[in-house]
Amino acid sequence: DTAVSQTPKYLVTQMGNDKSIKCEQNLGHDTMYWYKQDSKKFLKIMFSYNNKELIINETVPNRFSPKSPDKAHLNLHINSLELGDSAVYFCASSQGLLAGGSTDTQYFGPGTRLTVL
Amino acid sequence: AQSVAQPEDQVNVAEGNPLTVKCTYSVSGNPYLFWYVQYPNRGLQFLLKYITGDNLVKGSYGFEAEFNKSQTSFHLKKPSALVSDSALYFCAVRDWGDSSASKIIFGSGTRLSIRP
Repeated sequence: DTAVSQTPKYLVTQMGNDKSIKCEQNLGHDTMYWYKQDSKKFLKIMFSYNNKELIINETVPNRFSPKSPDKAHLNLHINSLELGDSAVYFCASSQGLLAGGSTDTQYFGPGTRLTVL
Repeated sequence: AQSVAQPEDQVNVAEGNPLTVKCTYSVSGNPYLFWYVQYPNRGLQFLLKYITGDNLVKGSYGFEAEFNKSQTSFHLKKPSALVSDSALYFCAVRDWGDSSASKIIFGSGTRLSIRP
């Protein structure tokens, strides 16, 4: 019954590899997000999709490529992994855009801890 | 640009005592403010939000927050702390930079530690 789920929970890999993290939500929301939480617990948005359309793209290296096959899924692919990519990545979802009356409450997944060696 | 500040990295409180976790904000336009909690090795959980209306907002687990426009603050409070309240707390504000996109800016987090 998990509302927002992510796989894998842990990911350990070597520098230079390519990896993907998957996210799924069963809340019926139309907006999904990726956040990065660094070792100091600072949380920063990376991307947001609304109905499969990219609406937020922060200053993120283009090695990071999100993909939304449908509004219930938002995957994150990372090419050529670097040591600095080590962090916990959180997926989140919410209903609607502000213009449509959304009040922005976001629901988070459990996180994927990525360690790049 | 919108921002929130959490001036305390850590707050220590004895169980049963009242607790306050501080947050101040800076916004252009109406503030949409949030509190989230993160338990160890878990994702963030929504606690409460202020959009409009009463300045005192009640949320989950007995928490409440008071919106103070003159002091631009949105402090999180609980009358009687529990050991299980120990967690990382994030204040957040909606970013009005692009009204078509729902973007939240999080504070740096405050670690709340409740001692028995």
